[in-house]
Amino acid sequence: DAGVIQSPRHEVTEMGQEVTLRCKPISGHDYLFWYRQTMMRGLELLIYFNNNVPIDDSGMPEDRFSAKMPNASFSTLKIQPSEPRDSAVYFCASSLLDRTSEQFFGPGTRLTVL
Amino acid sequence: EDQVTQSPEALRLQEGESSSLNCSYTVSGLRGLFWYRQDPGKGPEFLFTLYSAGEEKEKERLKATLTKKESFLHITAPKPEDSATYLCAVYNTDKLIFGTGTRLQVFP
Repeated sequence: DAGVIQSPRHEVTEMGQEVTLRCKPISGHDYLFWYRQTMMRGLELLIYFNNNVPIDDSGMPEDRFSAKMPNASFSTLKIQPSEPRDSAVYFCASSLLDRTSEQFFGPGTRLTVL
Repeated sequence: EDQVTQSPEALRLQEGESSSLNCSYTVSGLRGLFWYRQDPGKGPEFLFTLYSAGEEKEKERLKATLTKKESFLHITAPKPEDSATYLCAVYNTDKLIFGTGTRLQVFP
């Protein structure tokens, strides 16, 4: 398996623009997680899905952030409009058994909002 | 409030110089403690899961232990390729909470 795939790897955009991050989880994994990593706050869970259904989005910072999982092999995280404070590395992860089992992380998307 | 604290923030070791990384936690309903390794520009890579006090797990030069309040990641005779950031995370009843990590550098 190729592991968790994320695109793009790097994104530079201007404040106010819409940003869409993409993730393909490992085939057969029922759980998908979106995280954000910054130097100040470390790795923070934004939202997670089970069988394509959003279960907990309490970590989503505000209404500018939204996430979808239209099928088992694809998820998006959208920021609209983007702000400089959204600059961070965004990781997608998936797990097989349940939400307490080991999570496999993608390589991340480094987002810079100017 | 659930919290995970890792120390030290950074650690420099000479090759072969053994040491330990600490992860202390306060969490309600601990369902597991995880150790991950993160290399620059990459996502975290799973190392260990510990579920109960007294449990230990080993992998090559790494050994993780767990008590009711903290976990240690012991590194025996480290090599330069062990240089990375080591992240600790605890699972409470709802979600995985990460510490900010220990950045380890091992010099030849």
